[in-house]
Amino acid sequence: ETGVTQTPRHLVMGMTNKKSLKCEQHLGHNAMYWYKQSAKKPLELMFVYNFKEQTENNSVPSRFSPECPNSSHLFLHLHTLQPEDSALYLCASSQDRVAGGKSEQFFGPGTRLTVL
Amino acid sequence: GQNIDQPTEMTATEGAIVQINCTYQTSGFNGLFWYQQHAGEAPTFLSYNVLDGLEEKGRFSSFLSRSKGYSYLLLKELQMKDSASYLCAVLPRGSYIPTFGRGTSLIVHP
Repeated sequence: ETGVTQTPRHLVMGMTNKKSLKCEQHLGHNAMYWYKQSAKKPLELMFVYNFKEQTENNSVPSRFSPECPNSSHLFLHLHTLQPEDSALYLCASSQDRVAGGKSEQFFGPGTRLTVL
Repeated sequence: GQNIDQPTEMTATEGAIVQINCTYQTSGFNGLFWYQQHAGEAPTFLSYNVLDGLEEKGRFSSFLSRSKGYSYLLLKELQMKDSASYLCAVLPRGSYIPTFGRGTSLIVHP
């Protein structure tokens, strides 16, 4: 399988549940990202990992817990979420070419999360 | 930080040309991306501009003016399948992490 994959594609959970979102990239990239996309809002960057090290945490509540065991896999662990956390959660990967050259992001299809 | 502005929604007719503008204010600039996102799907890369000028890629072209903090995406010979959200994203100097605008929802009607 190629590109960026995400599972599950849809998730419905209660506020007391614990669930995890999974992302996998087969592009050889070293940077991986979690974004939240709510209706009528811009993409919100949540976390960035570079070579398995977290480099960005955009003031995300602790009920979202990321994990990056290697450069190809990224998880988002969810617990005690709120209804306002319902959104599309997108994973992306890229090369971290800071010095030059485009470093476009490749996005997964997303997980549509509904918190009841 | 970055401040990115693009129109919320635009409508156009099949077969026509539409220009989607994006203005940005940033303390340092590396380049600008355009992405297309169909409803319920992942954003997909369209273009990346670093230097001033127009870059053409089939029916889509992207323009950049660094001095004016301005870019546009030009879509020609519009098709119904071009109905989507178009995201402008700025890559700050010294970073590989882009900042996204709110996106422009384009509706193409017959």
